[in-house]
Amino acid sequence: KAGVTQTPRYLIKTRGQQVTLSCSPISGHRSVSWYQQTPGQGLQFLFEYFSETQRNKGNFPGRFSGRQFSNSRSEMNVSTLELGDSALYLCASSQDRENTEAFFGQGTRLTVV
Amino acid sequence: TQLLEQSPQFLSIQEGENLTVYCNSSSVFSSLQWYRQEPGEGPVLLVTVVTGGEVKKLKRLTFQFGDARKDSSLHITAAQPGDTGLYLCAGAEAGGTSYGKLTFGQGTILTVHP
Repeated sequence: KAGVTQTPRYLIKTRGQQVTLSCSPISGHRSVSWYQQTPGQGLQFLFEYFSETQRNKGNFPGRFSGRQFSNSRSEMNVSTLELGDSALYLCASSQDRENTEAFFGQGTRLTVV
Repeated sequence: TQLLEQSPQFLSIQEGENLTVYCNSSSVFSSLQWYRQEPGEGPVLLVTVVTGGEVKKLKRLTFQFGDARKDSSLHITAAQPGDTGLYLCAGAEAGGTSYGKLTFGQGTILTVHP
């Protein structure tokens, strides 16, 4: 069974631009969560989607948004990029409603210059 | 806000030594997961513990969930250079309102020297 796939792997953007990251969960998994990982803050929860509905959201500004499609694939968007948004963005998928086990993709390394 | 304190932050040991990583919180978790992450890659799930007092073994790795489901430990016996990496604990909050959210510890960077 294929794992969680994130595209692109690497991205370089300029301050003020916007970016869209994509995540394809493991087949049959309906929950997708997004995390931001930085050296200083570690892994921080962005949001979670289940059956196209956002069920939970972390403490990030409104510039960070996401959505989930009917096939469970998910995208996250960051508008008006800031230098501090440079990070590894990770997507995780889970099979059950309670997300007991989360499987991560390889991540998208975003660099804002 | 639930917090997970992971210690130590850094571990540098020789091949063959044993080590333990701790994960502590004042909050109760419905489950706790341990991950290992290589540089530039996503975390890879090692184990999930759900029941208080549960002990799980994965070859030379032993994972334990505290009786009160507030803490956990990872013990590696006879560490090998291939065990080098970032080890992360992550807790799923108890209760039904924090869907999909894992609270992560800050991680332990383990280096095993040949």
